[in-house]
Amino acid sequence: GQNIDQPTEMTATEGAIVQINCTYQTSGFNGLFWYQQHAGEAPTFLSYNVLDGLEEKGRFSSFLSRSKGYSYLLLKELQMKDSASYLCAVRKSNSGYALNFGKGTSLLVTP
Amino acid sequence: DAEITQSPRHKITETGRQVTLACHQTWNHNNMFWYRQDLGHGLRLIHYSYGVQDTNKGEVSDGYSVSRSNTEDLPLTLESAASSQTSVYFCASSGFFDQSGRSSYNEQFFGPGTRLTVL
Repeated sequence: GQNIDQPTEMTATEGAIVQINCTYQTSGFNGLFWYQQHAGEAPTFLSYNVLDGLEEKGRFSSFLSRSKGYSYLLLKELQMKDSASYLCAVRKSNSGYALNFGKGTSLLVTP
Repeated sequence: DAEITQSPRHKITETGRQVTLACHQTWNHNNMFWYRQDLGHGLRLIHYSYGVQDTNKGEVSDGYSVSRSNTEDLPLTLESAASSQTSVYFCASSGFFDQSGRSSYNEQFFGPGTRLTVL
């Protein structure tokens, strides 16, 4: 089995930067994913890391350290529309393309 | 435009009834997945398929079944609905895009979800 831990809730101010952490324990790691989910909607893909380091995509960046079992999602220049849940997910090498998700972090962006 | 759809969007049923939730995608994706989402648990994998006639059990497969008779559809059946199966169900798919040839196995596209209530 595997454990994926991320904070339940976070609050940040519009225009600021926020970092959402995710730690995992798994055998046969084959990729870490971040998804965004607005209330009442489907999750949408944000990023994918399989090698150590930082992947940048516009205002969003994702970092991975495989040796530490650690990832973070960095959101810059926060906007009100960034209020959503952020889901960390891990793919195992022996499970093909299936993902195991953490419980998600609910981010509230305040004015 | 290619898409993934789920039906019904809302369903209320009674304990013991058989229920089938539909999932249809027009991307010609090989991979399809069913998840349930509950407060305090996040998304949990129920079943998945990597092609026609292929099905695999996920983390919470008890009480559920799937069949894959074509590329586009992966219906989820609750054999005898239980109150513990009240949840929001999401279908997802991944695979190559025919139009661009871009490989997208790393990105799962989710349907809009079905809210199921078992009374």
